[in-house]
Amino acid sequence: QVQLVQSGAEVKKPGASVKVSCKASEYTFTDYYMEWVRQAPGQGLEWMGRMNPKNGDTNYAQKFQDRVTMTRDTSFTTAYIELSRLRSDDTAVYYCARTLITSGGVIGVFDYWGQGTLVTVSS
Amino acid sequence: EIVMTQSPATLSVSPGERATLSCRASQSVSSNLGWYQQKPGQAPRLLIYDASTRATAIPARFSGSGSGTEFTLTISSLQSEDFAVYYCQQYNNWPRTFGQGTKVEIK
Repeated sequence: QVQLVQSGAEVKKPGASVKVSCKASEYTFTDYYMEWVRQAPGQGLEWMGRMNPKNGDTNYAQKFQDRVTMTRDTSFTTAYIELSRLRSDDTAVYYCARTLITSGGVIGVFDYWGQGTLVTVSS
Repeated sequence: EIVMTQSPATLSVSPGERATLSCRASQSVSSNLGWYQQKPGQAPRLLIYDASTRATAIPARFSGSGSGTEFTLTISSLQSEDFAVYYCQQYNNWPRTFGQGTKVEIK
């Protein structure tokens, strides 16, 4: 059974950085893009970007382009997202999610999700 | 970026009744549209992709239709476990964008 297990909740001060991990298991880590989506309290879903674990290539939403870094460690089948210069409106649950692949190829939806990591930004 | 607009914001339905949720894109996304279900405290669950294809293990009471800018998710006979928030998401363009959600609540 495919699993994405994320690191625990974080509390950060404004201006700091946070790094969240996402440990993948029960599938070939390098065969599927890894995406990151966040959800502010009581709000909707916001796509942040995706990474190709095979070569590290990334595609970031322009909104986060200058503050986000997505990386991976293939030896540990783990993906990471780091967000810098945190603000109070970065308070959200951050999800990693795997991109769906069918016989037709890569489909830009997300079939498996991590459990989410709450990041709280507060002074 | 493409703006996805869902309606209604809240839908009150009795168990066993049919629910029809709408999603509109600010420009054509072809059939590159997915639907998710999210329950409180849980991650979203993929229901539909390519506008009308059910994801693995999704019951047949969930169906999707539409193309271009207008899409519909229909739940033919609501079960107790279907009361949740539903999101549409386009993947025709970057960045991927979601609608703001429709909450399906018990009438």
